Amino acid sequence: AQRVTQPEKLLSVFKGAPVELKCNYSYSGSPELFWYVQYSRQRLQLLLRHISRESIKGFTADLNKGETSFHLKKPFAQEEDSAMYYCALSDTGGFKTIFGAGTRLFVKA
Amino acid sequence: NAGVMQNPRHLVRRRGQEARLRCSPMKGHSHVYWYRQLPEEGLKFMVYLQKENIIDESGMPKERFSAEFPKEGPSILRIQQVVRGDSAAYFCASSPRTGVSELFFGSGTQLSVL
Repeated sequence: AQRVTQPEKLLSVFKGAPVELKCNYSYSGSPELFWYVQYSRQRLQLLLRHISRESIKGFTADLNKGETSFHLKKPFAQEEDSAMYYCALSDTGGFKTIFGAGTRLFVKA
Repeated sequence: NAGVMQNPRHLVRRRGQEARLRCSPMKGHSHVYWYRQLPEEGLKFMVYLQKENIIDESGMPKERFSAEFPKEGPSILRIQQVVRGDSAAYFCASSPRTGVSELFFGSGTQLSVL
């Protein structure tokens, strides 16, 4: 069965510290992985997708098929990074996207 | 482009009443997805629709819930005889076509059942 697990509900770091939001998945095929973000009072929006292999707002995520993980990382957290982050998995063909429970990132000054 | 529009933003119903949630996808998008978010939980997939077709309703409760996406007009998520456990935030998302996996989300409808 498809499943996305985000083990941390809340992650609190100081400004300038590295941050890593964990995501593990289970899927029998070749999934497409995403990170979505929801800033305060804004809609849920795409942050990045694994096939793009790009850095967005300083965030990167590498798909590790051996560990079935797609952790989100940023070397130096900023206060404006404080938000709710969701890891998501889409099945082949993009018919259905499932989400993890989300991790709230709080960056302290 | 106004983005995905959901209304109402807040909906209060008494137990046993019907709730109708509307979603207008982004212009040019013909695929609509509904998700439910319960407190302290993530987004749970409910249903995926294309114009006039239900493609995947594997996340829909078997009773009281239904969804449609007519040729004209918004997609409707309908909950009959609501119960307190239906209280949640319901989000709609759209995409332009199959295989384009990025979803564009609405602001959600917060349903409260008294």
